[in-house]
Amino acid sequence: QSVLTQPPSVSGAPGQRVTISCTGSSPNIGAGYDVHWYQQLPGAAPKLLISGNNNRASGVPDRFSGSNSGTSASLAITGLQAEDEADYYCQSYDSILSASVFGGGTRLTVL
Amino acid sequence: EVQLLESGGGLVQPGGSLRVSCAASGFTFTSHAMSWVRQAPGKGLEWVSGISGSGGSTYYADSVKGRFTISRDNSKRTLYLQMNSLRAEDTAMYHCAKGPIAWWRGWDWFDPWGQGTLVTVSS
Repeated sequence: QSVLTQPPSVSGAPGQRVTISCTGSSPNIGAGYDVHWYQQLPGAAPKLLISGNNNRASGVPDRFSGSNSGTSASLAITGLQAEDEADYYCQSYDSILSASVFGGGTRLTVL
Repeated sequence: EVQLLESGGGLVQPGGSLRVSCAASGFTFTSHAMSWVRQAPGKGLEWVSGISGSGGSTYYADSVKGRFTISRDNSKRTLYLQMNSLRAEDTAMYHCAKGPIAWWRGWDWFDPWGQGTLVTVSS
């Protein structure tokens, strides 16, 4: 079990908006530690999408955005495109584990 | 352009040892902490270890503490992970990743990542 919980899968049609949740607890997201998001295309290395809750990495379109509230974070993707089909991971820090921690990952399917 | 190129993966028997490497280019190596993150086949990401830019501070996940050792040779711009007492559950793609600043902080992001080197622990 991952310290950060993500839905295993989400889906949406082209042009639609989808959100991916990342649920943590008091020692991690709830303690105010930043949440970062990564995209992993099939067969590729993970790529940074969002750092520090809502800062898009270089070259990332503004269709991607992040937000935080309490012990959870979310990644929103608007104007869904076929090329967005990938696995998405959230990452933060856990003060009890003294470790960087990842969510279990969410597979996005574009219908 | 920042590039990270891992090498050294392979098949090793349970209880055996292996050292993987990550050659870095395109940035001032000593100015950035580095980390190893692994991904078991078909599974999610797991942070393994981190090291400061000077190499003076190291950090480990509980799952590898006492068995793995992270190090870096700044003169060679190379990051290492020495893995001892390997177990079947250590089978994974091992990625190196660059941190944004010289000291390692677990709440910092990883960018970019190398393509990874595959370590398989099996008899």
